[in-house]
Amino acid sequence: QITLKESGPTLVKPTQTLTLTCTFSGFSLSANGVGVGWIRQPPGKALEWLALIFWDDNKRYSPSLKSRLTIAKDTSKNQVVLTMTNMDPVDTATYYCIHRPQSGSYFDYWGQGILIAVSS
Amino acid sequence: DIQMTQSPSPLSASVGDRVTITCRASQDISDNLAWYQQKPGKAPKLLIYTASTLQSGVPSRFSGSGSGTDFTLTISSLQPEDVATFYCQNYYSAPYTFGQGTKLEIK
Repeated sequence: QITLKESGPTLVKPTQTLTLTCTFSGFSLSANGVGVGWIRQPPGKALEWLALIFWDDNKRYSPSLKSRLTIAKDTSKNQVVLTMTNMDPVDTATYYCIHRPQSGSYFDYWGQGILIAVSS
Repeated sequence: DIQMTQSPSPLSASVGDRVTITCRASQDISDNLAWYQQKPGKAPKLLIYTASTLQSGVPSRFSGSGSGTDFTLTISSLQPEDVATFYCQNYYSAPYTFGQGTKLEIK
């Protein structure tokens, strides 16, 4: 079955760069149409899509955060890495790794999420 | 960006009630709409995609309809375990925007 798990620091300081890793199993990111991405949710607030990387290495980013985000895949390790630069307290949120199926950019499997706090 | 607007929020209903949540897109997204359910402290769960296709394992009391700009999620008979926040999501084009959420409570 498909599983995804997020890992990374749980506390970062303002202006630092956040690096999150999604380690997945049960599918190949080389399969046509498949993608892995990231969504975040500040405490008590709505979901916000951040980035998506496709099987063919195409990438999509949230326009409002594009200058701060980089997404990359390591197919051999079954991992996707998201980096977010210049972290701010407003970036405090639970960050979810998600699976995009071949049939469309909806998200049928989610990781458990990782809560990232930004504070000095 | 395509804006997604949900109503109502919050929503309070009794066990056994028929419940309807509405989602409106700021432009035509055809049937590229998904619905998610998020229970407190948990990751969201996909309920419906292509506006009306039930994800495997989701109870049949959940259904979706609509196309273009107006969509609905219906629970035919509300159960206590349905207490959650529900989100719609546009996947017609990036950025893949979500609605603001509808929090469903039991009266």
